[in-house]
Amino acid sequence: QQPVQSPQAVILREGEDAVINCSSSKALYSVHWYRQKHGEAPVFLMILLKGGEQKGHDKISASFNEKKQQSSLYLTASQLSYSGTYFCGTDPQGGSEKLVFGKGTKLTVNP
Amino acid sequence: DGGITQSPKYLFRKEGQNVTLSCEQNLNHDAMYWYRQDPGQGLRLIYYSQIVNDFQKGDIAEGYSVSREKKESFPLTVTSAQKNPTAFYLCASTLHGTEAFFGQGTRLTVV
Repeated sequence: QQPVQSPQAVILREGEDAVINCSSSKALYSVHWYRQKHGEAPVFLMILLKGGEQKGHDKISASFNEKKQQSSLYLTASQLSYSGTYFCGTDPQGGSEKLVFGKGTKLTVNP
Repeated sequence: DGGITQSPKYLFRKEGQNVTLSCEQNLNHDAMYWYRQDPGQGLRLIYYSQIVNDFQKGDIAEGYSVSREKKESFPLTVTSAQKNPTAFYLCASTLHGTEAFFGQGTRLTVV
């Protein structure tokens, strides 16, 4: 039931853009995005609800296409602080509070 | 300050022993979760609880047990039936399936 994330890893230079994808074989009702730095707890970035809305926070935004059962996270003009592992989380039962995560995408931003 | 606290930070278990990981939150959240994190596997759901005295199995519940006697507490017991317990364990909580707050984790090692 884990959502599938791609790519598994990305290496960027500071200022470059990246896209991380999250897809599910089941209908999506909401999608969460988190970032985890090494040895730390995951930190919430944003949540997208059914309706195809796009959200943004600073230069990080995300879209949610419920028809395609996928979400994408867009990192624009990446900064060194964006380095970490990004996880998407979904509720596979719709309306429950079950929250399952993908395997993560490791993002490395180099100077 | 509100938050979620896990203890201990490091835990060592001998073969055949049961050990209990503590998770306490003062956010007044209804839902609580336990995840196991192994390299390359992402966050895998062990158990979750939506209300007091009720909990559901996640994707990898075998060898684990939980209780939810109080809203703020959700301890996880790793039993001797769990054959490969060495991992990083994360506890989280949410309010109605919104932003998840994570504890700092417990690193369990079998010696």
